[in-house]
Amino acid sequence: GAVVSQHPSRVICKSGTSVKIECRSLDFQATTMFWYRQFPKQSLMLMATSNEGSKATYEQGVEKDKFLINHASLTLSTLTVTSAHPEDSSFYICSARKRANDGAQYFGPGTRLLVL
Amino acid sequence: QKEVEQNSGPLSVPEGAIASLNCTYSDRGSQSFFWYRQYSGKSPELIMFIYSNGDKEDGRFTAQLNKASQYVSLLIRDSQPSDSATYLCAVFGLSNFGNEKLTFGTGTRLTIIP
Repeated sequence: GAVVSQHPSRVICKSGTSVKIECRSLDFQATTMFWYRQFPKQSLMLMATSNEGSKATYEQGVEKDKFLINHASLTLSTLTVTSAHPEDSSFYICSARKRANDGAQYFGPGTRLLVL
Repeated sequence: QKEVEQNSGPLSVPEGAIASLNCTYSDRGSQSFFWYRQYSGKSPELIMFIYSNGDKEDGRFTAQLNKASQYVSLLIRDSQPSDSATYLCAVFGLSNFGNEKLTFGTGTRLTIIP
């Protein structure tokens, strides 16, 4: 199998607060995890690539200091949205790769963030 | 800019017919190709992958790859209403920065009409 979980599934917060989202690979070890954002009726946008034990690689235009990523173990990566603002409201989805070089990514169920 | 293009649809197909979804990509160095299904409000689910030229069948799904034409397609036979979803084509290769990356198309919305 290739099951990826995310927590929480939904979060509502006030502007200025920080929100942490957890992504776990439940039945495999993931050396690489990915964080995506998806706005309504738009495609997935890759935010960053997270490798276990090293710093995340952020895509162009994604603020490193705003979206903090930690990949502390082979089964857990976290995304922290710092000082969230209403424009950060979106569907955040993580994915994990089972094996290097085959490209397949398995997605978590996503976290819907609403910043008031 | 390395791109993956899909017809956004919507594509409407009668129940029981064959649905054909197409995707083209710009990077000739792309190594592997994936089809994901995404239901409204849900995250993508991997349904097929293909690495070599030709056809690959899995149940009602057939993926077709033509690297010379930089074209990949997904056929769904005996379409069911539960197949109604957005289908994302994804291409694996190297990004402009040299790291491995899965690039997604914008998706084709498929509706199966009972």
